[in-house]
Amino acid sequence: SQTIHQWPATLVQPVGSPLSLECTVEGTSNPNLYWYRQAAGRGLQLLFYSVGIGQISSEVPQNLSASRPQDRQFILSSKKLLLSDSGFYLCAWSEKGGRNEQYFGPGTRLTVT
Amino acid sequence: DAKTTQPPSMDCAEGRAANLPCNHSTISGNEYVYWYRQIHSQGPQYIIHGLKNNETNEMASLIITEDRKSSTLILPHATLRDTAVYYCIVNLDYGGSQGNLIFGKGTKLSVKP
Repeated sequence: SQTIHQWPATLVQPVGSPLSLECTVEGTSNPNLYWYRQAAGRGLQLLFYSVGIGQISSEVPQNLSASRPQDRQFILSSKKLLLSDSGFYLCAWSEKGGRNEQYFGPGTRLTVT
Repeated sequence: DAKTTQPPSMDCAEGRAANLPCNHSTISGNEYVYWYRQIHSQGPQYIIHGLKNNETNEMASLIITEDRKSSTLILPHATLRDTAVYYCIVNLDYGGSQGNLIFGKGTKLSVKP
């Protein structure tokens, strides 16, 4: 069966510090991968998606970047965090070939102080 | 913006059926109706999706009206663990560049003993 992991679960970082969040998927090959952010009291916003290694598309301009160095690894990064980067970050995957059921990881709660 | 309209909140007695409505009057012919739920502080969980026929799985049933402008998610025997925010999403049935699930505010379902 497929599983998706995210770490860390929680993170408190000062403004201006770098960020690296990692997501890995097991039990599937060549998945579509997604990064979402959920600000407090708001809905989920898609940040990035990837259809393959090295292929990243950004949905909104922001202070963040994403990379996919391996088939089942998706990384969210920032060089300098802003207060507005605080939120609940969720990674998700879906299969190729016609099904858009997305399966979400447990999330990382980021607080920028 | 989300293409769906849902009531902000609903209550349901434990053991009774929970019927969650969703309006999607602008749905196009090749768009599916997806339902997800998010339990507090967790990632969203896929529940069910359908195009025009009613669908049932181990979690829920999805009833789509003949004109496809509205649907109802039915949890046949709600338990306290079904307390969550339920999201109705209209989207194409493939991922990648078309996989942007637009989560609106959803319906907060409270199952009471």
